[in-house]
Amino acid sequence: DAKTTQPPSMDCAEGRAANLPCNHSTISGNEYVYWYRQIHSQGPQYIIHGLKNNETNEMASLIITEDRKSSTLILPHATLRDTAVYYCIVTSGTYKYIFGTGTRLKVLA
Amino acid sequence: GAVVSQHPSRVICKSGTSVKIECRSLDFQATTMFWYRQFPKQSLMLMATSNEGSKATYEQGVEKDKFLINHASLTLSTLTVTSAHPEDSSFYICSARGAGDGNEKLFFGSGTQLSVL
Repeated sequence: DAKTTQPPSMDCAEGRAANLPCNHSTISGNEYVYWYRQIHSQGPQYIIHGLKNNETNEMASLIITEDRKSSTLILPHATLRDTAVYYCIVTSGTYKYIFGTGTRLKVLA
Repeated sequence: GAVVSQHPSRVICKSGTSVKIECRSLDFQATTMFWYRQFPKQSLMLMATSNEGSKATYEQGVEKDKFLINHASLTLSTLTVTSAHPEDSSFYICSARGAGDGNEKLFFGSGTQLSVL
């Protein structure tokens, strides 16, 4: 079973920041938090990952709480092309990625 | 970034035939590949894990004789759906991970839409 819980859907206005939460209360010390997104009928696309520190790249920022039981993916300026299903995945050296139900983000014009 | 190529992107076949799907890592050596299936409006479900040169490990409930996985080289894994039936119609996605310390991100193929008539 997936070790993460995400809201099923969210809306965001174009140009605004999209904040997508993820709960992973059973995360263990050696497990990373990964974020992927899937646009309709395509394979998932990597966004960002982190262990315990906040991370930022050209696509997004990842904020992980100090107790590591939850995280937030931030898309700083959402565009219509960011409409997708976003998956938060917790995994470690078992190498498996178990997908939860994800959050369906709709960016509104 | 690394690229995983999956082929074909779409296949339609008759019930009872077998279908082979290829997954290639184009610019890195993939020691581990994963195969997923996805039904409409649902999440990805892990089917099996394949390591180069060894037998695949199937998830509970996935028939290994139905879904044959071969990972004969560090850049190629294949999934063969044998004696396909309409209930096997689904979106199949492969992913690959390179060698390293175990926390390398996965790269996903673009998926194969299988329709069994």
